[in-house]
Amino acid sequence: AQSVTQLDSHVSVSEGTPVLLRCNYSSSYSPSLFWYVQHPNKGLQLLLKYTSAATLVKGINGFEAEFKKSETSFHLTKPSAHMSDAAEYFCVVSGGSNYKLTFGKGTLLTVNP
Amino acid sequence: DAGVIQSPRHEVTEMGQEVTLRCKPISGHNSLFWYRQTMMRGLELLIYFNNNVPIDDSGMPEDRFSAKMPNASFSTLKIQPSEPRDSAVYFCASSFLAGGLYGTDTQYFGPGTRLTVL
Repeated sequence: AQSVTQLDSHVSVSEGTPVLLRCNYSSSYSPSLFWYVQHPNKGLQLLLKYTSAATLVKGINGFEAEFKKSETSFHLTKPSAHMSDAAEYFCVVSGGSNYKLTFGKGTLLTVNP
Repeated sequence: DAGVIQSPRHEVTEMGQEVTLRCKPISGHNSLFWYRQTMMRGLELLIYFNNNVPIDDSGMPEDRFSAKMPNASFSTLKIQPSEPRDSAVYFCASSFLAGGLYGTDTQYFGPGTRLTVL
């Protein structure tokens, strides 16, 4: 069984300030972890993924995430927010040899000018 | 690559009508997924195809829903008859699962079809 919890349903930051979106997971297997972004009325776009290689994963648009097994966390960060980052972000877990993705409920990121 | 293509992007229909959603996966991918997204339930997997064969349809809500994949480049999701509670955004995603039926790899999502049933 696997599950994912996004700790904040809404995060608001000012442009140019750091972004932190928090995610905790649970999995019976060595998990694959993903972050997807969904802009309004758009599909989901892959930001980055972790598959048991380096624990610090770099993604597109300056985002990165760190896999911490001891904390069962996979938080998403970005040093400096841009207006175009405003979107909904989903943390996703896939465990073991299971094709099923389990999605978090999403975190809505608002970026204020 | 054009990515996953879905049509139509928007569909408005009346209760009781048949609705057909279409998906063209990324060329070379061997797995295709249909999802439904609603505010209440988030993203739910409806059905999973591997090499055009339905592997897991446990997420299909009821008999009103059916999905087909006649070839590697096309899939349909049909709702007949449609009901207002079917209103949602339906996503198609594709992937190449190197581990056979049960591997795990990145799923690439289409732009979705926003369905409104009046």
